[in-house]
Amino acid sequence: DAGVIQSPRHEVTEMGQEVTLRCKPISGHNSLFWYRQTMMRGLELLIYFNNNVPIDDSGMPEDRFSAKMPNASFSTLKIQPSEPRDSAVYFCASSFSELINNEQFFGPGTRLTVL
Amino acid sequence: SQQGEEDPQALSIQEGENATMNCSYKTSINNLQWYRQNSGRGLVHLILIRSNEREKHSGRLRVTLDTSKKSSSLLITASRAADTASYFCATGLAGGGNKLTFGTGTQLKVEL
Repeated sequence: DAGVIQSPRHEVTEMGQEVTLRCKPISGHNSLFWYRQTMMRGLELLIYFNNNVPIDDSGMPEDRFSAKMPNASFSTLKIQPSEPRDSAVYFCASSFSELINNEQFFGPGTRLTVL
Repeated sequence: SQQGEEDPQALSIQEGENATMNCSYKTSINNLQWYRQNSGRGLVHLILIRSNEREKHSGRLRVTLDTSKKSSSLLITASRAADTASYFCATGLAGGGNKLTFGTGTQLKVEL
């Protein structure tokens, strides 16, 4: 299995630009999680989906952030417009949700720098 | 929101020594998990302990859980330089579905 795939691995953009991060979960997993990691705030859950449906988006910082999961094999996290304080490493993780709180498998992350 | 707090924040030991990291949390949990993160990488699941378990072993890892004190510890025995990483506890809340809340992490450095 290829594991969770994220793209791009690195993104450098200017303030005000739209940023789209992509994630392909592990085949057969039906829960998908988006996290953000910074030195100041640690690892924060932004949103998670079960069976392509958003379950908890309480961690999404503001309306500039949106996430979609159009099918079981693909999800996007979009920031529009981006701001320097959005600079962080964004992780996608997936798990098999029939088992409550099963282990999560993390992707390699996307390092976002907003200038 | 409930969050695990790891202690210590940083730990430096010599290869061959044991490393102990602690995690405290605030509310009732379904289970508690430990993850490792190497620099520049994603997190990797190490071990899961359920709320009705008190101790669990996996290779050189030993995890304990004390639900009365709302705390857990991770022991790595006979540490190796390759164990150098950050270690996070993550709690699944009772009735909280699939969501995990991660702690602040312990940075472990194992020196040769």
